[in-house]
Amino acid sequence: AQTVTQSQPEMSVQEAETVTLSCTYDTSESDYYLFWYKQPPSRQMILVIRQEAYKQQNATENRFSVNFQKAAKSFSLKISDSQLGDAAMYFCAYARGSNYKLTFGKGTLLTVNP
Amino acid sequence: DVKVTQSSRYLVKRTGEKVFLECVQDMDHENMFWYRQDPGLGLRLIYFSYDVKMKEKGDIPEGYSVSREKKERFSLILESASTNQTSMYLCASGAGEPPVYEQYFGPGTRLTVT
Repeated sequence: AQTVTQSQPEMSVQEAETVTLSCTYDTSESDYYLFWYKQPPSRQMILVIRQEAYKQQNATENRFSVNFQKAAKSFSLKISDSQLGDAAMYFCAYARGSNYKLTFGKGTLLTVNP
Repeated sequence: DVKVTQSSRYLVKRTGEKVFLECVQDMDHENMFWYRQDPGLGLRLIYFSYDVKMKEKGDIPEGYSVSREKKERFSLILESASTNQTSMYLCASGAGEPPVYEQYFGPGTRLTVT
């Protein structure tokens, strides 16, 4: 079974600084997708960024980027120029290529200090 | 914008009651999901549906059932609520075609069973 591990239950960052959230996963599949979701306090979970395993280029969405290391099964999220609105619970998730179910990590709570 | 709505944000029920949680999506998505979210455990899949009247068990289906009579609506049923079912329940929907397995989440229902 696939597993997703987020080893940092909590992280904090100063406003305008950069922070990296870690995620590792375990799979024997070659075709899969990885996601980072953000859940702000009392608000809906939204997709931050998505990475297809067959793509070598790391995904980027504005201030959010990933470091996808396929051999190491690592998928970290980098947030640049952190803003107060980035404070949230972040979940890493995995989907097998032939299956649309998501497997989530336990989450990392990010605090942004002014 | 995709919209996923859940019938209640907060719900308080007594042990032994039958509880219905409703979820509606407006994007004509084939797939719908029910998760429960508990601190330190992340999101765990209860049930999902890949078509009308079709359902499949997730990782923790015990004590729950589901109903999907129409494409846009997916209901989670607690046949006899117990205190260990106190949790945040999240509904999600997603398109069924690769390569994108993005799921769109509702705001959640915080259920307390007393």
